[in-house]
Amino acid sequence: QVQLVQSGAEVKKPGASVKVSCRVTGYTLSESAMHWVRQAPGKALEWMGGFDPEDGETVYSQNFQGRVTMTEDTSTDTAYMEVSSLTSEDTAVYYCATAIFTSGWYFDSWGQGTLVTVSS
Amino acid sequence: DIQMTQSPSSLSASVGDRVTITCRPSQSITRYLNWYQQKPGKAPKLLIYEASTLQDGVPSRFSGSGFGTDFTLTISSLQPEDFATYYCQQSYKTLVFGGGTKVDIK
Repeated sequence: QVQLVQSGAEVKKPGASVKVSCRVTGYTLSESAMHWVRQAPGKALEWMGGFDPEDGETVYSQNFQGRVTMTEDTSTDTAYMEVSSLTSEDTAVYYCATAIFTSGWYFDSWGQGTLVTVSS
Repeated sequence: DIQMTQSPSSLSASVGDRVTITCRPSQSITRYLNWYQQKPGKAPKLLIYEASTLQDGVPSRFSGSGFGTDFTLTISSLQPEDFATYYCQQSYKTLVFGGGTKVDIK
C-alpha cells in the first residue's frame, strides 16, 4: 500500500527557511513523480512544483520560482521541499503528492500535510 | 496563465439531493481536468481524472463530464460522507486548481 509520510509541524520566523520531508513507503521514490501543493488557512489548493519524468527535471510554479527547492534522496525514498525567505503569507499546510501522467497530470496519493507557521 | 473558475463557491444541500458543481477554465484545456474532494483537516482525495474517469474505489454516484472550457462534477444522490470541499484542477498548461466549492448540510 502506497503511503506518503511527512515531517512534523514547524514554526519559523520571517526571513528564515523551512525544509519539509516526505517519505514514501509501499514503492520506491524513483518509480514516482513527486509534487508539492500548499494550502493557506481557509484558502484553495496551490500547486508549487514537482518532478517531470519525461524531461527528467523538476518544474516549478512561477509563483515560487527561485524561492523553492525540491530534492529527492532515492537511498531513503524521501523527497524534500525547502522554502526560503519566509513571510507570513507562507503560513500554510504543505502537502506532497505523487503525480500520474497519462494525457495530463493528476495526483493520486497524498501525504498527511505539514503545517508551517511563519510568525515573529 | 489559465484561470479556473468554480461555481458555486458554496452550496447547501440535503442527503439524497443531486448536486452539480461547475468548473470553467479561461481557455480550452481539452479533457485535462481532474476533481478532488477534501474534508476538514485532511488531504485531498482524487475523485475523477481526465474529465470523466472515476478513480478506483470512488462511488459511482460521482461523475464528471465536459470538454474544453466547461466541466461538471455531479453527485447523483448526496450522502452524509459527501459533505466536503471539492476542487477542480487543470493540467493542460502547468497545474492550476480552482477556488473550491464547499458543500454543506442544508
